[in-house]
Amino acid sequence: SYELTQPPSVSVSPGQTARITCSGDALPKKYAYWYQQKSGQAPALVIYEGSKRPSGIPDRFSGSTSGTVATLTISGAQVEDEGDFYCYSADSSGNHWVFGGGTKLTVL
Amino acid sequence: VQLVESGGGLVQRGGSLRLSCAASGFTFSGFWMSWVRRAPGKGLEWVANINQDGSEKYYVDSVEGRFTVSRDNAKNSLYLQMNSLRAEDTAVYYCARGAYLYVWGQGTTVTVSS
Repeated sequence: SYELTQPPSVSVSPGQTARITCSGDALPKKYAYWYQQKSGQAPALVIYEGSKRPSGIPDRFSGSTSGTVATLTISGAQVEDEGDFYCYSADSSGNHWVFGGGTKLTVL
Repeated sequence: VQLVESGGGLVQRGGSLRLSCAASGFTFSGFWMSWVRRAPGKGLEWVANINQDGSEKYYVDSVEGRFTVSRDNAKNSLYLQMNSLRAEDTAVYYCARGAYLYVWGQGTTVTVSS
């Protein structure tokens, strides 16, 4: 079955740039989506169709894809950005979807 | 836009449960809908989705044949019928709008006891 691979954790100091990667064989043809889940809350979409930001998401969040790797970049990370981040995409058939294993972002 | 899940609870292994998701604030019949779960100590897992008229349904392999997703557009509601429940189905279950999960509910907890 299809898999997306993320690093388990990323840690940065406030104001630094955090980069979270997501590797998957179908990413050259399928968009990546990114979600943030803070403790005790439902997940929230932060990037869709690889690089687009929903309304209300700060512009320090950006997304990109190069080959089989999608990257979520948080430029000037803030303490309130801490949480678990997940990439999400479809397999080559487009009918089955999968999340990456999740990356815990620590900002301190 | 609001999604409210209900129907979670404690059930014995091998039992059944039906989750519901009530949608409001948007044209429910115009969107794919999805179910996602998060087991304790684990990450998010896509469970199933369904197209606008219910004619297309897709499932993660681990629930295929045990879970059934359905919808009632007249009632603005999404459902997940879960049969032959296993301990590993214990999770918070979320409904979300779209195949791309643009909006999420707050979740309902399912606990399968062994």
